[in-house]
Amino acid sequence: QPVLTQPPSASASLGASVTLTCTLSSGHSNDKVDWYQQRPGKGPRFLMRVGKGGIVGSKGDGIPDRFSVSGSGLNRYLTIKNIQEEDDSDYYCGIDYGTGREFVFVFGGGTKVTVL
Amino acid sequence: EVQLVESGGGLVQPGGSLRLSCAASGFIFSPYWMTWVRQAPGKGLEWVANINQHGSENYYVDSVKGRFTISRDNAKNSLYLQMNSLRAEDTAVYYCARITVSGTLDYWGQGTLVTVSS
Repeated sequence: QPVLTQPPSASASLGASVTLTCTLSSGHSNDKVDWYQQRPGKGPRFLMRVGKGGIVGSKGDGIPDRFSVSGSGLNRYLTIKNIQEEDDSDYYCGIDYGTGREFVFVFGGGTKVTVL
Repeated sequence: EVQLVESGGGLVQPGGSLRLSCAASGFIFSPYWMTWVRQAPGKGLEWVANINQHGSENYYVDSVKGRFTISRDNAKNSLYLQMNSLRAEDTAVYYCARITVSGTLDYWGQGTLVTVSS
């Protein structure tokens, strides 16, 4: 199964930008991952899916334009521009690696973003 | 508006049982695969179980196989997780989520806390 690796923390000043990285394990450079935001005490919220070529499909409901994604090699990135206080959250990448009809999910360890 | 509302969590002793429910509204429930994902205190997300549209196929993470059973009632727009032989390591917030055809978890509930402790 693929392994998703995320740095545990990141920070940015209010109004600045931050880029989060999700690194796929070797052999999975063509895989797409989903990004999720989890605000404190809340359930996760789907942001968008990203492949090597960038966004795949549409963003989740109500996701602002300042959230964007990109991909390169084994890395999948989530960039937050003009970061706001409400972006202070945990961010997870996840992947479905089911081999057919079934779905099987694995998630990265998450990155805690602190807005300074 | 799509809503998923979990309930049924609580404090249970090791070896005990609990049944979680997830009430779905704001969308047609029956065409979707559904899933349970859990999050231990201060930890990341862990997939637990999936069920197909009809309830005829289900899949589990190895650590809960033989102890947990996922089911659904499309007439009641509800998803369930029967948890037996509970262990301390099952302590977590349990979320239900909707699975799209492409394998994205596009809507999640707010979670229900299960604490396994004597």
